[in-house]
Amino acid sequence: RKEVEQDPGPFNVPEGATVAFNCTYSNSASQSFFWYRQDCRKEPKLLMSVYSSGNEDGRFTAQLNRASQYISLLIRDSKLSDSATYLCVVTPYGGATNKLIFGTGTLLAVQP
Amino acid sequence: DAGVIQSPRHEVTEMGQEVTLRCKPISGHDYLFWYRQTMMRGLELLIYFNNNVPIDDSGMPEDRFSAKMPNASFSTLKIQPSEPRDSAVYFCASSLGGVNSGNTIYFGEGSWLTVV
Repeated sequence: RKEVEQDPGPFNVPEGATVAFNCTYSNSASQSFFWYRQDCRKEPKLLMSVYSSGNEDGRFTAQLNRASQYISLLIRDSKLSDSATYLCVVTPYGGATNKLIFGTGTLLAVQP
Repeated sequence: DAGVIQSPRHEVTEMGQEVTLRCKPISGHDYLFWYRQTMMRGLELLIYFNNNVPIDDSGMPEDRFSAKMPNASFSTLKIQPSEPRDSAVYFCASSLGGVNSGNTIYFGEGSWLTVV
């Protein structure tokens, strides 16, 4: 089983739609959680950290459910510029805490 | 400020040749990471350094791969001999402090390697 699993998509949605991505992780001791965004043929960039209490940044909301080992990202009012691959990322607990473990990503295509 | 700088951006080489990828981290950053990205396996951590010392190289696929960080502003990833299955995008990244301390990892633009 992969350490971080995501639905690869693609998710094709119209502008203005709300879209949600899910991610599960296998190590219950995972310590930190993030969503990264990667545009086509570009490097990954941090979108937002994910906290147990949930957190929001504009149109983006991230949630963490430690009991279910589940992370989500909600994008409201989708824009064309949101089209990208969204990567779910976790860090292990303990000695390898600086090791970012990436999911394979979910591709979002926002259509005009 | 300059970000993480990688070279070459693109390289096409023949099987069996040596490949050297280079990275200059963001000035002042004490962590440096080498990642590899392929369609099949996604982004995988190969190795990371803290203060120029290799901390975790468990992701290095085999002895053909080696990485060095002779000083705080330079690192290399070498593949010798290269094989077609090494074709991938190799990303270098750096951070000021550990990720679990709330620090962000910044990626370079990647080195696109094709081994024919």
